[in-house]
Amino acid sequence: QKEVEQNSGPLSVPEGAIASLNCTYSDRGSQSFFWYRQYSGKSPELIMSIYSNGDKEDGRFTAQLNKASQYVSLLIRDSQPSDSATYLCAVSGGSYIPTFGRGTSLIVHP
Amino acid sequence: GAVVSQHPSRVICKSGTSVKIECRSLDFQATTMFWYRQFPKQSLMLMATSNEGSKATYEQGVEKDKFLINHASLTLSTLTVTSAHPEDSSFYICSARDRTGVHEQYFGPGTRLTVT
Repeated sequence: QKEVEQNSGPLSVPEGAIASLNCTYSDRGSQSFFWYRQYSGKSPELIMSIYSNGDKEDGRFTAQLNKASQYVSLLIRDSQPSDSATYLCAVSGGSYIPTFGRGTSLIVHP
Repeated sequence: GAVVSQHPSRVICKSGTSVKIECRSLDFQATTMFWYRQFPKQSLMLMATSNEGSKATYEQGVEKDKFLINHASLTLSTLTVTSAHPEDSSFYICSARDRTGVHEQYFGPGTRLTVT
């Protein structure tokens, strides 16, 4: 059974701070890693994808992948109240069918 | 780019009736589409994977005769909930993956189904 683990939170950070979201996965054969943001009552929105070890930056978002440790993280710099949402980690392997974590709730307070 | 639409966004139906939900990729061709269900404050649950022109692959525990999936073209997949019951009330979300081989999947806005 492929598993993707996330701390459910909520993770509470002050506005302007760095929010750090973490995800671990069980399948060593995993090849593709994604972060989605889901606002309450809405569908998930893809914000980052990463396929190789290291960091990938896109605006205020940085995804970090460490395949040896089976760990992927998402950093959000200069957090804004509008970043308050649930962040879903998704991992896929050779079948390209992703397994989703339960999500981490992020609250950015003014 | 990579826009997926769903219709309807909300539907209320009586118990015992059937409801069809459409999922369309608007600006790309999707060889694979996924159907998810999400209950309040719970995670996404993959129901089935559909590939254009072939039968859908259902996840364990999902009744294929109750949740009929058709992926007739590279831009359209439909989910029909047959003989709906109140416990089928949920948020149904489709997603689509671009045929160009990129692995990201893009989600539709979801359909909120309420069965009375």
